[in-house]
Amino acid sequence: RKEVEQDPGPFNVPEGATVAFNCTYSNSASQSFFWYRQDCRKEPKLLMSVYSSGNEDGRFTAQLNRASQYISLLIRDSKLSDSATYLCVVNGAGSQGNLIFGKGTKLSVKP
Amino acid sequence: DVKVTQSSRYLVKRTGEKVFLECVQDMDHENMFWYRQDPGLGLRLIYFSYDVKMKEKGDIPEGYSVSREKKERFSLILESASTNQTSMYLCASSLERVGTDTQYFGPGTRLTVL
Repeated sequence: RKEVEQDPGPFNVPEGATVAFNCTYSNSASQSFFWYRQDCRKEPKLLMSVYSSGNEDGRFTAQLNRASQYISLLIRDSKLSDSATYLCVVNGAGSQGNLIFGKGTKLSVKP
Repeated sequence: DVKVTQSSRYLVKRTGEKVFLECVQDMDHENMFWYRQDPGLGLRLIYFSYDVKMKEKGDIPEGYSVSREKKERFSLILESASTNQTSMYLCASSLERVGTDTQYFGPGTRLTVL
């Protein structure tokens, strides 16, 4: 099982739609979880951290399910500007526990 | 705001050349990282550093070396560039020593090796 797995997409949705991405991770000892956003030909930028109790930031909601080892990101009322690749990020195994980046899920929001 | 800058946005080199990629962060971060990003493979960690003059191998260190002489600067060196090192190179930094902290990325250097 790969350390962090995501559906690569693309997810093509109309403006205003609700879309959800899931991500699974293999290391049950992971403690830190994030969603990053990467626009085409740009660097990844932190979208939000994911907390055990779940968290919301405007139209974005992140959830963590430790028992099943998956993380989700829900985007409500999609905007054209949400078009990007969304990277699921988890801290990895080992003493250094560096961040492991998923390969990303591509979202395209159409007018 | 954290600012991470990289010396070049685009770079074209020939096989066998020595290549230096430089990264500077202005927020006094402890940790710095070098990744490469390739289509279908995602971000892969090449090297990282927790402190000045300290370096640790990441997942794909072969063919690369690094230097961290000052806290704010982390250099990636390709001793003898090869065509399979054509890629997007991303530098990142994070505040805390523990590797789980949020990472802030530079704009990337797109390197082409001919």
